[in-house]
Amino acid sequence: KNQVEQSPQSLIILEGKNCTLQCNYTVSPFSNLRWYKQDTGRGPVSLTIMTFSENTKSNGRYTATLDADTKQSSLHITASQLSDSASYICVVSAKNYGQNFVFGPGTRLSVLP
Amino acid sequence: NAGVTQTPKFQVLKTGQSMTLQCAQDMNHEYMSWYRQDPGMGLRLIHYSVGAGITDQGEVPNGYNVSRSTTEDFPLRLLSAAPSQTSVYFCASRDRQVGYGYTFGSGTRLTVV
Repeated sequence: KNQVEQSPQSLIILEGKNCTLQCNYTVSPFSNLRWYKQDTGRGPVSLTIMTFSENTKSNGRYTATLDADTKQSSLHITASQLSDSASYICVVSAKNYGQNFVFGPGTRLSVLP
Repeated sequence: NAGVTQTPKFQVLKTGQSMTLQCAQDMNHEYMSWYRQDPGMGLRLIHYSVGAGITDQGEVPNGYNVSRSTTEDFPLRLLSAAPSQTSVYFCASRDRQVGYGYTFGSGTRLTVV
C-alpha cells in the first residue's frame, strides 16, 4: 500500500533556530516528491519538488533532500522565522497512479519568539 | 488572476441536508481535484477531473458527486450530509504536465450536526 509518514508530528522551536522535518514513503514506482507549506486556515502551497535523480533542492531558507534508495526525504529550515509556523506536508506521486498524490499527515511547526 | 476560489469558507449543515461546494479556477488548468482534510490524516482524494466532461472517483468518493461542464468550474455536491463528512474541503488544480504542483484553494470548513 502506498503510504507517506512524517515525523515529528509536531515541533516547537525558538525563532532563529534551525530544524529538520522527516518524510518516509513506500510509494512505488516513484515519480516525484513535493513539500508543501500550509498556513492555518489556508490551502497548501508548494515549496519544492524533486524527481528521482535529484537529491537536494533549495528554496530560500528551505532545503529539501531526497534519498530514493532508502525512500526518505527531509526538509531543513534555516534561521527560522515566526512566519514559518505552519504545517509542512510531504506529498509523493507514483508513476501510472492516476491523479492520486499520496499526502503525508504533516508536521506542525511552531516558531516562538 | 485569482487562482483557485472556493465558496463558501464556512458551512454548517444538518444531517440529511444537501449542498454544493463551489470551486473555480482562472488558470486554464485541465486537472482539478477535491480533497478532504481531517485531523491527523493526510489530504484524501474525493473526486478528480482531467478535463471538461471527464470525472473519476478518488480514495473516498462515497456521499459526494461532481461534474465538470467547463474547464473553470468543478463543484462538489453532498447528497445527504452525514456527521462523518465534517471536515475541511480543498479544491486544487494543476497543469496537465506532472511536474507542476497543485494550486490549492483556501478551503471550506464544513460541520454537519
